[in-house]
Formats: sequence, structure tokens, C-alpha cells
Amino acid sequence: LAKTTQPISMDSYEGQEVNITCSHNNIATNDYITWYQQFPSQGPRFIIQGYKTKVTNEVASLFIPADRKSSTLSLPRVSLSDTAVYYCLVGPNTNAGKSTFGDGTTLTVKP
Amino acid sequence: DAGITQSPRHKVTETGTPVTLRCHQTENHRYMYWYRQDPGHGLRLIHYSYGVKDTDKGEVSDGYSVSRSKTEDFLLTLESATSSQTSVYFCAIRQTGENTEAFFGQGTRLTVV
Repeated sequence: LAKTTQPISMDSYEGQEVNITCSHNNIATNDYITWYQQFPSQGPRFIIQGYKTKVTNEVASLFIPADRKSSTLSLPRVSLSDTAVYYCLVGPNTNAGKSTFGDGTTLTVKP
Repeated sequence: DAGITQSPRHKVTETGTPVTLRCHQTENHRYMYWYRQDPGHGLRLIHYSYGVKDTDKGEVSDGYSVSRSKTEDFLLTLESATSSQTSVYFCAIRQTGENTEAFFGQGTRLTVV
């Protein structure tokens, strides 16, 4: 399973764009990159998933360079409610889709 | 939350006693997972299931066993609870196919004293 490396913590202010980068040098050909968000006392919640290039949905964008050894989660115009832990996962979605959670990035949004 | 229920939500038990946690889903998803999360850390996979009676070990399976006799239920058993198994346990489900997300339960906070 590919190991991921993320910053332990980040601070931002309301209304700013936040970019969280994840390194996954050992990503395999059939691995997807998935980001989850977790609030205290809750289970993680899916944000976005991609394989290559760029993916965008209503809450975030995911940028993946051609070599796929890293990825960047972009949160536009964050609010206080975006304060959470963000996890980058790399793993196959076929079979059982075992993926490894790292320690995540704690994002704190300040007013 | 995507038709997934964990029970109990909180439990305190004594060292050496067996404990069973239940994960129940109403989504008919093929894959089910048990994770544990310790303070300040990410989730670690204990066991997972890819169908009825089909299970496999994750990265921290020692001291745990699982069973899946029906699609909707995935049970996690601590054969003889230890203080190191004090943690928050999360169940997750996922449907078949590529590019699918996992849905997580609300967690079970287990304290072994």
C-alpha cells in the first residue's frame, strides 16, 4: 500500500483558498487518490476522488500531476465550518479497496 | 448516514472480557470494514469483508476477529479485551466497482479498564 505524507496542520482565514498537498511517491498504476474530511466525534466523510489530472465537484478540486506522485486538495473560500482533519488516501478501488489513512492534516479556519 | 449503524455507541469493559461490536447496513453494499482510531491519529484498518463469510485481515488485526454471516451485519470481536484496545472503532461500507466512496458509521467509543 502506498504511503502518504501530508502536513500535520494548517491555518487559514475565512474566505481564503486552502491547498493541502499529499505526497505518495509509491503510488501504483491502479491506485486512486481519495480525500476524506473528519469532524470531531464523527466518522470520515468523502470529499473527492481522482485518478489523474483535475477533478472538481461542488465542494473541492483535486489536482494530480502527470507523474501522480503527489496531489493537492483545493478548498475554495473556506469558512469556519471547514475546520476539520483532512485525510489523503491512496489505494485500489477494485477488490476490497484497502487504503491506508495517514495522520491527516488538521485545518483550522480562523475568523 | 448512508444507512449504517454501529452499536453500541459507547462501552466500558474490563480487561480480559470478550466484547462484540456490531455494524449494520441497509445499503446492501458488498464491502465492509472495521477501523480503529486512536487520539491524534488516523484510522487503521483492522479487518474487512468482501462478501458474506469472506473476510481478511488489515494492518492491525491481532487480538480481533470478525464475522459476516449476512450482507447487512459485520461483527468485530475482541476475544479478550486489553487496555491497548481502548479506542474509537469505525465501521465503513462501500459498494462494488471502481471509483466508489466509503461511508462511515458514527463510531463506537470503547474503553477497557
